[in-house]
Amino acid sequence: QVQLVQSGTEVKKPGASVKVSCKTSGYIFKNYAISWVRQAPGQGLEWMGWTSGYSSHTQYAKKFQGRLTMTTDTSTSTASMELRSLRSDDTAVYYCARDLSGSYFFGFWFDPWGQGTLVTVSS
Amino acid sequence: DIVMTQTPLSLSVTPGQPASISCKSSQSLLQSDGKTYLYWYMQKPGQSPQLLIYEVSNRFSGVPDRVSGSGSGTDFTLTISRVETDDVGVYYCMQSIQLPVTFGGGTKVEIK
Repeated sequence: QVQLVQSGTEVKKPGASVKVSCKTSGYIFKNYAISWVRQAPGQGLEWMGWTSGYSSHTQYAKKFQGRLTMTTDTSTSTASMELRSLRSDDTAVYYCARDLSGSYFFGFWFDPWGQGTLVTVSS
Repeated sequence: DIVMTQTPLSLSVTPGQPASISCKSSQSLLQSDGKTYLYWYMQKPGQSPQLLIYEVSNRFSGVPDRVSGSGSGTDFTLTISRVETDDVGVYYCMQSIQLPVTFGGGTKVEIK
């Protein structure tokens, strides 16, 4: 079955960077893009960006442009998300999710989601 | 950005009774290709979100037929015809006609 398994909990200081990985299995990695969505404690869902499964094409929410990088490694079927210059309000659970749309620009929809990675930013 | 507004914020339902959640978007979600890019997700306590409905009214694999979606343009509804204890969680609508993808604020469904 399709699975997305994320890396473990992270604790970072303000100003640091964090890299979260998302190892996929059960499908052809190159055939689907990956999106990243975060959820602050007790809050709703916030889309961060999208990365193609077979090219370097990415789409980032403007809010994160300049400090967000999404990458994929087709040899290990793994997607990664790096967020830099962390602030306390970046404390959240970060999810990767497979995009079923096949589109580059709109119409994204997600299934399944990874189990989530808690990133805590605190001095 | 497209704003997605869900109501109510929370819902307490007797098992076997129906429940409805409203989602309104600040712009039409109907694309020129004829598709409407509105989706519903459910997040059970302590779990990751899971897809329920895609493109307004299409039930995803494994979703029971007592869960349905309807609507058009800017107004959408998720309906559970007979609520069960397994339906407890937070429900989110999502649009992806335009980037950034945006979600509604969520509706918490509890059992009375």
